[in-house]
Amino acid sequence: GNSVTQMEGPVTLSEEAFLTINCTYTATGYPSLFWYVQYPGEGLQLLLKATKADDKGSNKGFEATYRKETTSFHLEKGSVQVSDSAVYFCALSEDPGAQKLVFGQGTRLTINP
Amino acid sequence: DGGITQSPKYLFRKEGQNVTLSCEQNLNHDAMYWYRQDPGQGLRLIYYSQIVNDFQKGDIAEGYSVSREKKESFPLTVTSAQKNPTAFYLCASSPPTTETQYFGPGTRLLVL
Repeated sequence: GNSVTQMEGPVTLSEEAFLTINCTYTATGYPSLFWYVQYPGEGLQLLLKATKADDKGSNKGFEATYRKETTSFHLEKGSVQVSDSAVYFCALSEDPGAQKLVFGQGTRLTINP
Repeated sequence: DGGITQSPKYLFRKEGQNVTLSCEQNLNHDAMYWYRQDPGQGLRLIYYSQIVNDFQKGDIAEGYSVSREKKESFPLTVTSAQKNPTAFYLCASSPPTTETQYFGPGTRLLVL
């Protein structure tokens, strides 16, 4: 079946460091790919998405490119802030008709000032 | 403001008791979902509904039940058959023709 694998956390960085959170997927067909962010004690918020190969999703300084050849959707940010501390989830759409999402296990990010 | 509300924020269950978690949305979305989140794990789908009066089991439906009598509402009941109910429960909804899901703030269920 379809699955998503994220790099294990937790990840701890200093403010203004470069961030990469790896995400790879296994899927039949051509799923859409998503990054969601969860701040402490809250629900998930959509951060960015890409719907086809070579698309780049971007938002709030974060970027991810849909790489079909490597089945990856790595999340990057050039200069992180303390306010970026959260848990990040990579996800794919399993079946556009059913609108179901499959999530990775999440990566906890902590940014120190 | 449009959005998804979940209540209560915290819920305590006694052994053998059924409890119901509320999820309401005023986004006019057709599809609604319930997920369970355990510490250090991703989200697992419990039930989903694409239209009123219809719903399907997700990956971990055992011990849970739902109803979808109104478009705006998708309550989840955690029954006594769910032996390990302690978790963070998230409700989501999505409009037609898109795979993007919008999440509520969650309910944390604890067992006394």
